[in-house]
Amino acid sequence: DGGITQSPKYLFRKEGQNVTLSCEQNLNHDAMYWYRQDPGQGLRLIYYSQIVNDFQKGDIAEGYSVSREKKESFPLTVTSAQKNPTAFYLCASRVWAEVNYGYTFGSGTRLTVV
Amino acid sequence: EDQVTQSPEALRLQEGESSSLNCSYTVSGLRGLFWYRQDPGKGPEFLFTLYSAGEEKEKERLKATLTKKESFLHITAPKPEDSATYLCAVEGRGSNYKLTFGKGTLLTVNP
Repeated sequence: DGGITQSPKYLFRKEGQNVTLSCEQNLNHDAMYWYRQDPGQGLRLIYYSQIVNDFQKGDIAEGYSVSREKKESFPLTVTSAQKNPTAFYLCASRVWAEVNYGYTFGSGTRLTVV
Repeated sequence: EDQVTQSPEALRLQEGESSSLNCSYTVSGLRGLFWYRQDPGKGPEFLFTLYSAGEEKEKERLKATLTKKESFLHITAPKPEDSATYLCAVEGRGSNYKLTFGKGTLLTVNP
């Protein structure tokens, strides 16, 4: 079955440590997105990529970095510059510029600072 | 800037008690309005996309409607398994194909 795979499901980060969250899709979708979800808040866009080797900052990009070397993969690195990284991280994808289609989400990674 | 406001924040229903969730939005040219269901600790599950005022879509006990300012998600005769957070999001024509989400409505259906 086609879908989006996020790993790991749970991740623990020590102070000052960089960690990378994986997002892989086999839907042949062009665009991929990273969102952050905090309790009582809507999903907030961190970074997005519409084509390979290109990506744009979202609303809360500070302290995060991404790469898009392959169409299928869009990893997110949470750097030590992100002061409050504890959150639920969601990856999504869609067919580029195709409106008659819903965004597909992964099952999420819960990151906790210890 | 696109904005989405969902109400109520939380809704508690008895099994079989029909109700509606509201999603008010402001957007510079609506490309699409999306409804998602999210269970605790899971990613959002796609329900509907609506594109123009007057459009309606149904799926089992759920029906989504759209006007120029808001969307409603009607739940008919809900069951306990309908308990979840329901998220609304819009994609505006000026958004460069990005979604703006509301904070969601937490629905609890008691047996």
